[in-house]
This record gives sequence, C-alpha cells and structure tokens, in this order.
Amino acid sequence: QVQLVQSGAEVKKPGSSVKVSCEASGGTFSNYVINWVRQAPGQGLEWMGGIISLLGKTNYAQKFQDRVRLTADESTRTAYMELSSLRFEDTAVYFCSSGYVGEGLDSWGQGTLVTVAS
Amino acid sequence: QSVVTQPPSASGTPGQRVVISCSGRSSNIGKNYVYWYQQFPGTAPKLLIQRDNQRPSGVPDRFSGSKSGTSASLAISGLRSEDESDYYCAAWDDSLSGWVFGGGTKLTVL
Repeated sequence: QVQLVQSGAEVKKPGSSVKVSCEASGGTFSNYVINWVRQAPGQGLEWMGGIISLLGKTNYAQKFQDRVRLTADESTRTAYMELSSLRFEDTAVYFCSSGYVGEGLDSWGQGTLVTVAS
Repeated sequence: QSVVTQPPSASGTPGQRVVISCSGRSSNIGKNYVYWYQQFPGTAPKLLIQRDNQRPSGVPDRFSGSKSGTSASLAISGLRSEDESDYYCAAWDDSLSGWVFGGGTKLTVL
C-alpha cells in the first residue's frame, strides 16, 4: 500500500495561488490515480479532481475546472495540486488520496491546511 | 442539493447495532461501487468498506456494507465508544465523471 506525505500548511491572500505537494512511497506510483479532496472547516469531503501519472491524464470536478491544475512527477513520485484565484471560502484542509484506476480512494495523505486571509 | 445524501447524525449505545444510510442516483450508487470512510476529528479519512461490502485488511468484522439499487448502508454491530466518528459514503458518478461523497454522518455513542 502506498503512503502519502503532503507539504505543510499555507497562508495565502485572496487572489493568489497555492501549490500543495503529495509525495508517495511504496507501491507503483504510475499505477495509481492521485485524487485531491478538500474539507472546509466543519464541512464534508469534496472531490476536486484526479490525475493518472502514467498517462498524464487529468479529470476535474466542474466546480474547480477553471482554477485547479493537477500535475505529477514520476521521477520524484510526487503529485501537485495548484489552486489559483484563491477566495476566503477556499480555506480548507486539502487531502491527496490514491487508488488504482477504477477503484476507490484507498490511501490518504495527512492533509494540508490552506488558509486564505487578508 | 447533494448528489448523495446521508443522515447528518446517528447514535447508539454500546453493544448496539447501528445502520447509516446513503442514498444516491442511478448514475452513481446505482451503477458503481460504494466506498465508506471513517474520519476522526483532525485526521484523514480511513477506508472502511470498499466495493460495496468488502473490508480492507485490518478493519474489524463489526463493520459491514450493503447496497440495493441506488441506496447503500453501513452497519456497525457491537457498537464501541471508539466508533464515535464521522462516516462518509462515496461513489463514482458517471454523469459528473467524478467522485461524489455523501454529506457525512456523525455517529455518537451514548
């Protein structure tokens, strides 16, 4: 099973961008879909999108399609989520999660708190 | 309006059996597997049930999943205080081409 370790907390201003990393160890990185899920304070889980590193194929939730960019670097076994034009309501914990293609979200990173504040 | 709905709360006493429901649509639960996650405050979700009713290694057999049509259920038998947590169902949605989560159910052990 893959283990996922995410980058640390970020504080950003409205209108700026944030880039969160997710490093995988164990398993075969290229076999996985790396999904990104966020959780606003006191709220539920919200899927943002996923990337299959082997194919470079991405899939985004319509809500985030214009503002999120997912990338993956197989050489470093690291996936990235960049969210632009940040708003106060983007304050949330952002999780990466892996799973085989066609399967559910199996392993999860520890989460990265992104705070948008002026 | 959520695509997949769960009751916001559930409760039970130690030793009891509790069932948490998850209602979806033909495009998600009706066609694809359901997954259940357990999440404690301040931590990442943990996969509890995969492919409707399969327990990953290490998950106690007190937890079980089932599905019928566009609805799914998570049952917890022999309820323990450490089961007090948030529970989420999830499924792939063919119409949205993405994962959809239920709103989550907060389980309280009385």
